[in-house]
Formats: sequence, C-alpha cells, structure tokens
Amino acid sequence: KNQVEQSPQSLIILEGKNCTLQCNYTVSPFSNLRWYKQDTGRGPVSLTIMTFSENTKSNGRYTATLDADTKQSSLHITASQLSDSASYICVPLNYGGSQGNLIFGKGTKLSVKP
Amino acid sequence: DADVTQTPRNRITKTGKRIMLECSQTKGHDRMYWYRQDPGLGLRLIYYSFDVKDINKGEISDGYSVSRQAQAKFSLSLESAIPNQTALYFCATSDLRTGGYTFGSGTRLTVV
Repeated sequence: KNQVEQSPQSLIILEGKNCTLQCNYTVSPFSNLRWYKQDTGRGPVSLTIMTFSENTKSNGRYTATLDADTKQSSLHITASQLSDSASYICVPLNYGGSQGNLIFGKGTKLSVKP
Repeated sequence: DADVTQTPRNRITKTGKRIMLECSQTKGHDRMYWYRQDPGLGLRLIYYSFDVKDINKGEISDGYSVSRQAQAKFSLSLESAIPNQTALYFCATSDLRTGGYTFGSGTRLTVV
C-alpha cells in the first residue's frame, strides 16, 4: 500500500533558527517527490519537485533532499521567518497506470515564533 | 486574478441538500482535479479529468459527481449532502509538460 509518513507532526521554533522536516514513503513505482507549503485555509503551493535521480534541490531558504534507495526525503528551512509558519506536505508521485497519482502526506505543522 | 478560482469560499448547507462547488482556471491546463482535506489527514482525490470528454473517479468518489463544462471549468456536486462531507475542498490543475500542480484557495463546506 502506498504510504507517506512525515515527522514531526508539529514543530515550534524561534525566528531565525533552522529546522529539518522528515518524510518516509513506500510509494511504488516512484516517479518524483514534491514538497508543498500550505498556509492555514489556503491551497498548497509547490516548493520543490525532485525526480528519483536528484539528491538535493534548493528554492531560496528551502532545501530538499531525496534518497530514493531508502525512500526518504527531508526539507531543511534555513533562517526561519514568521511567514514560514504553515504546514509542509511531502507528496510522492506514484507512477501507475496512464497517470500518476499524488500521494499526500499528513504534513508537518511548523510554527515560527518571534 | 488567481490562476485557479473556487467558488464559494465558504458554504454551510443542510443534510440532504444538493450543492455544487465550482472551479475555473486560467492556466490553460487540460488536467483538473478535485481533492478533499480533513483535519489530520492528507488530501484525498475525489475525481479528475484529463480533458473535456474525460472523467475519472478518484479514491473517494462515492457521494460526489463532477462536470467538466469546458477546458477551464470543472464543478463538483454533492447530490445529497451528509455531515461527514464537511471538509475543505480543493480544485487543482496540472501542467502535462512540467508535472506541476496549481491549487485553488479551497472551499470550506459545512453540512449541518
């Protein structure tokens, strides 16, 4: 069964600090993995898309890593800002059939405090 | 204007009522999706459409129907709303070339 597990469920950090969010997945066959940021009451917004051949990808202060062998990914946020407070969702793409299906994790809720 | 627009943003309806959620997009994407999000759960796929003549059931289609009126419009209907359909609903489009998804801002539906 395709599954995605994210940890921690929630995290509180002080502004300016770094943090790392984890994602383990069992999606197969695997095509790519996305990280989304979802502000409360809003739709998810893409941060990165990584194919199985990519190990690291950055988008500003966000850096995602992927180990397709161990089926693990992480999202590192550097020098956090109050606006980083949101849920971060790990989404592997299950490449099955005529169209892959996004498998959404439950997300990590990040709160950045001043 | 937003690339993917959902209406209404919020809706309270009574059990047994028929309700339609609408989605329109200016991305020019052929592929459109409806997702549902419940507290503590990941987004789950209700229906998806690859083009105007194509409709496919997702993971949780029971109790829902959709209509793809045009490339830019994809509506979701609850024929007879029930309280456990209370959730946040998202419409999305995807770019066949890049695989990128664009989500709407969501419709918060409450069934009482």
